[in-house]
Amino acid sequence: EPEVTQTPSHQVTQMGQEVILRCVPISNHLYFYWYRQILGQKVEFLVSFYNNEISEKSEIFDDQFSVERPDGSNFTLKIRSTKLEDSAMYFCASSVFSYNEQFFGPGTRLTVL
Amino acid sequence: KNQVEQSPQSLIILEGKNCTLQCNYTVSPFSNLRWYKQDTGRGPVSLTIMTFSENTKSNGRYTATLDADTKQSSLHITASQLSDSASYICVVSEANAGGTSYGKLTFGQGTILTVHP
Repeated sequence: EPEVTQTPSHQVTQMGQEVILRCVPISNHLYFYWYRQILGQKVEFLVSFYNNEISEKSEIFDDQFSVERPDGSNFTLKIRSTKLEDSAMYFCASSVFSYNEQFFGPGTRLTVL
Repeated sequence: KNQVEQSPQSLIILEGKNCTLQCNYTVSPFSNLRWYKQDTGRGPVSLTIMTFSENTKSNGRYTATLDADTKQSSLHITASQLSDSASYICVVSEANAGGTSYGKLTFGQGTILTVHP
């Protein structure tokens, strides 16, 4: 059964460093998403991406964040200068269309020291 | 502000028993409502999706209901199993100007269900 994959599973970085989180969505899906979940809190929407551009973003997704689909399979989230409060689990998701079921990856736990 | 509230925050039941989880939302404009199951440290897994015209939807032992007028939903789990222990999250999708969904999801805090043998 096809699934969304994410790498790495755990990333530790120093405050101020850049990180890139990687995702491989399900191959025939057209919509891609990033969410984050701070420990003990609810999942929060960051950004949705369709047709090689951002279709919607939340107020969390400021200029420090960017997304890219560099090739036909990968979908990345870049945080330019990490802050302590960026420590969270980051989930990638994909769906065929925006109203369909979203399939989530296993997440990348980002720890900023 | 769009919000999704769930109750109870946590629930402990014995294996084989039934339970019902509640969700209230203020998301507008509304596109659809989803229930997800999330195991600790894992990504959410979809259980059901309902549009405003659907009152109930089942997926095995999971049955979700939706009252779009009162903006309430429930998830009923029958004959619980130990593997049902997880967080159950109510998620609402906003509609865009065309009435379809952007895919932007608003998550509730979740109900942590623990099933004991």
